[in-house]
Formats: sequence, structure tokens, C-alpha cells
Amino acid sequence: LAKTTQPISMDSYEGQEVNITCSHNNIATNDYITWYQQFPSQGPRFIIQGYKTKVTNEVASLFIPADRKSSTLSLPRVSLSDTAVYYCLVGDKGGGSQGNLIFGKGTKLSVKP
Amino acid sequence: NAGVTQTPKFRILKIGQSMTLQCTQDMNHNYMYWYRQDPGMGLKLIYYSVGAGITDKGEVPNGYNVSRSTTEDFPLRLELAAPSQTSVYFCASSYLRGALTDTQYFGPGTRLTVL
Repeated sequence: LAKTTQPISMDSYEGQEVNITCSHNNIATNDYITWYQQFPSQGPRFIIQGYKTKVTNEVASLFIPADRKSSTLSLPRVSLSDTAVYYCLVGDKGGGSQGNLIFGKGTKLSVKP
Repeated sequence: NAGVTQTPKFRILKIGQSMTLQCTQDMNHNYMYWYRQDPGMGLKLIYYSVGAGITDKGEVPNGYNVSRSTTEDFPLRLELAAPSQTSVYFCASSYLRGALTDTQYFGPGTRLTVL
């Protein structure tokens, strides 16, 4: 799996757009980029996944430049309830060596009123 | 659909005690996983199963055992609890083999403290 680097923490205010960037310089041709969200005292939850260019769903947008060495998760108009840890994962259909997801420390987003 | 359910939510054990963490999913997923998450850290895989009767070790299996007698249930057994097993335990399931192109669904977790 490609190693990922993302900020440890970010602060924002309600109503702002938040962009969390993940670096993955060693991404392979078959790798996908996936983001999970984890609220305090809950298990991680799938947010969005992409391979290239832009993907948008009801929760977020994912921007992937042409070289795919980084990606940006964009959360529009955050609210207090978006306070969570966001994990960037990169890998191919095989996942980890045992098919598991490999989570780093993620980015802790704190949204303030 | 309840998704993935785990019991208990919290548990305090004394050193040397044993317990079973229960996990059930109602999505008819073949693949199930047990992770542990230490404070401020990511998740580490303990054991996983690709179907009823088939289990295998993950990254940190020592001190744990699993069984998978049905598609729905995947209990995790702690033998001789140690303080190092204090953690939050998450069970997850997926339709495909942990593919990043397939979503893993996580349970709410069990917070275990060993004193």
C-alpha cells in the first residue's frame, strides 16, 4: 500500500469549506484513494472514493490531480457535527496483505461555532 | 438492517480474566474483521475471516482467538487479559475481500479496560 501523509489536525468554523490534503507520492497505477470518517466513540465510516479527477457525493468532494500524487477531501460548509477524524487510504483492490484497511493517525478536524 | 452490532459497549477486566467480544452482521457479508484502536492511533487488524469456518491472523493476533461458525457471527476471545489489551475493539464486515474499492462497515466498538 502507498504511504500517505496528512495533517495531524485542522481547525475550522461553522459554515466554512474545509479542504484536507493527503500526499501519496508512491501511488501505484491500480491504486484507489478512499476517505473514511470517524466520530468520537464510533467506528470509521466510508465517505468517498476516487481514482482520478473529481468525485462528488452528498457528503464531500474528492479532487485528484493528474499526477495522482496527492488528493484533497473537500467538505462544504462544515457544521459542528463534522468534527471527526478523517483518514486517507490508498491501495489497490487487494487492500492490505490480509485484505484489511490500513489506517494511519488521520486528520483530526475540529469545527468551532 | 442493523448493520454491524457489537456487545458489550464497555467492559473492565482484571488481569488474567477472559472474555468474549460479540460481533454480528446482518448484511450477509462473507468477510469480517476485528481491529483494535489504541488512543490517538489508527486501527490494527487482529483477525479476519473470509467466510464461515475460515479465519486467519492479522497484524496483532497474540492474546486473541476467533471463531466463525456462521456467516453472521464473528466473536473475539481474549484469554488471560493483560493491560496491553486495553483498547477499543472494532468489528467490521465487507462484501468483497477488504478491497479498497469495497466499503467496510464498522460496528460501534467495545471499549475494554484491563486493570
